[in-house]
Amino acid sequence: GNSVTQMEGPVTLSEEAFLTINCTYTATGYPSLFWYVQYPGEGLQLLLKATKADDKGSNKGFEATYRKETTSFHLEKGSVQVSDSAVYFCALSDRTGGSYIPTFGRGTSLIVHP
Amino acid sequence: NAGVTQTPKFQVLKTGQSMTLQCAQDMNHNSMYWYRQDPGMGLRLIYYSASEGTTDKGEVPNGYNVSRLNKREFSLRLESAAPSQTSVYFCASTDRDFGVGNQPQHFGDGTRLSIL
Repeated sequence: GNSVTQMEGPVTLSEEAFLTINCTYTATGYPSLFWYVQYPGEGLQLLLKATKADDKGSNKGFEATYRKETTSFHLEKGSVQVSDSAVYFCALSDRTGGSYIPTFGRGTSLIVHP
Repeated sequence: NAGVTQTPKFQVLKTGQSMTLQCAQDMNHNSMYWYRQDPGMGLRLIYYSASEGTTDKGEVPNGYNVSRLNKREFSLRLESAAPSQTSVYFCASTDRDFGVGNQPQHFGDGTRLSIL
């Protein structure tokens, strides 16, 4: 079956530090890959996505590149802010039977200190 | 735009009580999903509905039932609540036609359910 593995948190950084959150996946097909962000008390929001190998998704200074050869989709940001403190989820979407079923990682909590 | 609306936002139940969580989306999406989120477990899929009139089990369906009332609404029912069902429940929808898998999910803000 499909699975997504994320680095465990919490990740604690100082403001303006470089961020990397690792994500690797296993999939039976050719999935689309996503990063979602969850702020306290809210639902998940799409942060960025990539749908084929070597695609780079980007949004709000965050980037992730679809690496088929290493089955990875690591999230990066050059300079984090306190407002980036949240839980980040890596996810894939792959066909199961006639439907596209999403698979989520367990989430990585990011804490950014001033 | 309202997006995905879940009601109620909070609920406390006693063991054995029943309850229905409501979800509605106004984006004309075909597919809808119910998840539970527990600490350290991420999101686990309970049930999904690929299109109006169909429902299928996800990873953790035991103790739950669902109804796709129409294209907009997808409800989750706990027939006899148990403390193990204490969780945060999220509904999501996606504009996903057959053969297209690259659309993201849109989430509601969740229902925080405690079962005593």
